[in-house]
Amino acid sequence: VQLQESGPGLLKPSETLSLTCSVSGASILGSHWWSWVRQPPGKGLEWIGEIYHGETTNYNPSLKSRVIVSVDKSQNQFSLRLSSVTAADTATYYCARGRYCTSTTCPAHWFDPWGQGILVTVSS
Amino acid sequence: DIQMTQSPSTLSASVGDRVTITCQASQDIANSLNWFQQKSGKAPTLLIFDASNLETGVPSRFSGSGSGTDFTLTISSLQPEDFATYYCQHYSNLLYTFGQGTKLEIK
Repeated sequence: VQLQESGPGLLKPSETLSLTCSVSGASILGSHWWSWVRQPPGKGLEWIGEIYHGETTNYNPSLKSRVIVSVDKSQNQFSLRLSSVTAADTATYYCARGRYCTSTTCPAHWFDPWGQGILVTVSS
Repeated sequence: DIQMTQSPSTLSASVGDRVTITCQASQDIANSLNWFQQKSGKAPTLLIFDASNLETGVPSRFSGSGSGTDFTLTISSLQPEDFATYYCQHYSNLLYTFGQGTKLEIK
């Protein structure tokens, strides 16, 4: 399974960040959730949000009002939209395969694998 | 929300040393704790899942232990490629949480 992020690397304040994660080797409509994680320069990791079966989403409450995660089933891709960006949103953004769920339980709840990451800078 | 606190933030050690990194949860999380390694400029990679299970392909010098609120990641004999930043991670109640990271530096 391989993941690859793509999208603009430079945004102005108030613009909307849009990134795409292309997945190969697995279907995004399978038994895993698919996530976005970010990391500001020199800082730690922050989970942004996830999507399952192309329709069910969960978001970090700290970003929920500005985030949308969606899928393109035909392309086996999932996407991130983060609105009204500021300099505080400058970070490397990673996509990752997240927790695995069966019909009754989710026995695995870690990220593996990850994409290589894409640096997004917000600056006027 | 459950908070994850790692210590130390920075650790200086030499090749061959045995090192231990700790992660403390703000409440009982059973064994629901994972460890990642992140090398400079690279994405994190999974080392250990469910507190003590070594991911396939990870060298056996890495081990994890703990349950409840206190967890440890141990590297039995540091190798040059182990100098990196390490993160613990927990999932519950629709939220993934990471520790703040421990940077392992060469002494």
